[in-house]
Amino acid sequence: AQSVTQLDSHVSVSEGTPVLLRCNYSSSYSPSLFWYVQHPNKGLQLLLKYTSAATLVKGINGFEAEFKKSETSFHLTKPSAHMSDAAEYFCVVSPPGTASKLTFGTGTRLQVTL
Amino acid sequence: DADVTQTPRNRITKTGKRIMLECSQTKGHDRMYWYRQDPGLGLRLIYYSFDVKDINKGEISDGYSVSRQAQAKFSLSLESAIPNQTALYFCATQGSTDTQYFGPGTRLTVL
Repeated sequence: AQSVTQLDSHVSVSEGTPVLLRCNYSSSYSPSLFWYVQHPNKGLQLLLKYTSAATLVKGINGFEAEFKKSETSFHLTKPSAHMSDAAEYFCVVSPPGTASKLTFGTGTRLQVTL
Repeated sequence: DADVTQTPRNRITKTGKRIMLECSQTKGHDRMYWYRQDPGLGLRLIYYSFDVKDINKGEISDGYSVSRQAQAKFSLSLESAIPNQTALYFCATQGSTDTQYFGPGTRLTVL
């Protein structure tokens, strides 16, 4: 069984300040983990993924995430927010190797203010 | 051109009507998926298909059916729509890697 919890439904940051979106997971195996972003009226786009290689994963648009097995966490960070980062972000877990059974978190809406 | 397309993008219908949502892809992927998104619930899997002859139920398949007409086409049907099927529906595809690629979504409203 697997599950994922996004700890914040809404995060607001000022442009130029750091972003932290928190995600904890539960899995009976060593999972694959993903972050997807959804901009308004758009489909989901893969930001980054962890598949048991390096624990610090770099993604697109300056985002990165660190897999911490001891804390069962996979938090998403970015050093400096941009207005274009405003979107909904989903943390996703799947069994290793196939990613055919994705379990989505409930999403975190990121607001970026001037 | 988009790799994964969905039609229609928006649809309003009435309770009891039959509705079909269509998904097409040009990525050449064998695996295709249908999800629904509800506010505060993330995405939930309705049906998935690993190839034309392989159809599988997801976690919320009741009230839905699917058809895999070809490798590139995967349709979702609501035989008799009801208001709690009002949601945003996404199609996704997957090739040999562990990444799913999503279409732009179909917003369905059942009155």
